[in-house]
Amino acid sequence: QTVVTQEPSFSVSPGGTVTLTCGLSSGSVSTSYYPSWYQQTPGQAPRTLIYSTNTRSSGVPDRFSGSILGNKAALTITGAQADDESDYYCVLYMGSGSVVFGGGTKLTVL
Amino acid sequence: EVQLVESGGGLVQPGGSLRLSCAASGFTFSSYWMHWVRQAPGKGLVWVSRINSDGSSTSYADSVKGRFTISRDNAKNTLYLQMNSLRAEDTAVYYCAREKRLHRAFDIWGQGTMVTVSS
Repeated sequence: QTVVTQEPSFSVSPGGTVTLTCGLSSGSVSTSYYPSWYQQTPGQAPRTLIYSTNTRSSGVPDRFSGSILGNKAALTITGAQADDESDYYCVLYMGSGSVVFGGGTKLTVL
Repeated sequence: EVQLVESGGGLVQPGGSLRLSCAASGFTFSSYWMHWVRQAPGKGLVWVSRINSDGSSTSYADSVKGRFTISRDNAKNTLYLQMNSLRAEDTAVYYCAREKRLHRAFDIWGQGTMVTVSS
């Protein structure tokens, strides 16, 4: 069974830069997995940030960016703000219309 | 306004059934693949199921295969999730989500509906 891995937690200082990653328990993440990223605050529905590795969803500020770093997908937040404190999830496409979520990263801004 | 609105959640006993609905508006529903995603209390997001645009093809997570059925009525702009043989571990907020065409990602989410399986 494929497991998508994310850091359970991360912290960043206001104004700082942080990179969250999304990997596979076996193998490397490539653009063929169509990595996407979602932000969720408690009690709210997820918000789409990035799709197809590095395309920002409508209305998402350009301080959010996506990439492939080594064998993982990555979400970089540049100039972190207090309201970036959220849970972040990556999703990888596994073929046949199915996708898998990572376990999520809880980002603290302090 | 592009919108997805879920309904049908509630409290159900183990072994029971429930049907969730997701009403779509503001876009051509019949052109999009649709998904269900769930989130147990305090846990992460988990993909449940997807259906293609005309309803002819479906996929399920192993945890719900054989118990849940996804369907759609394009004339009513509505997505469904029929949930049978419910278990305590199915307790979650269920979100419907639209798949962004050609990008294998979700671009529009509903607000979610809570399903609680308990005696």
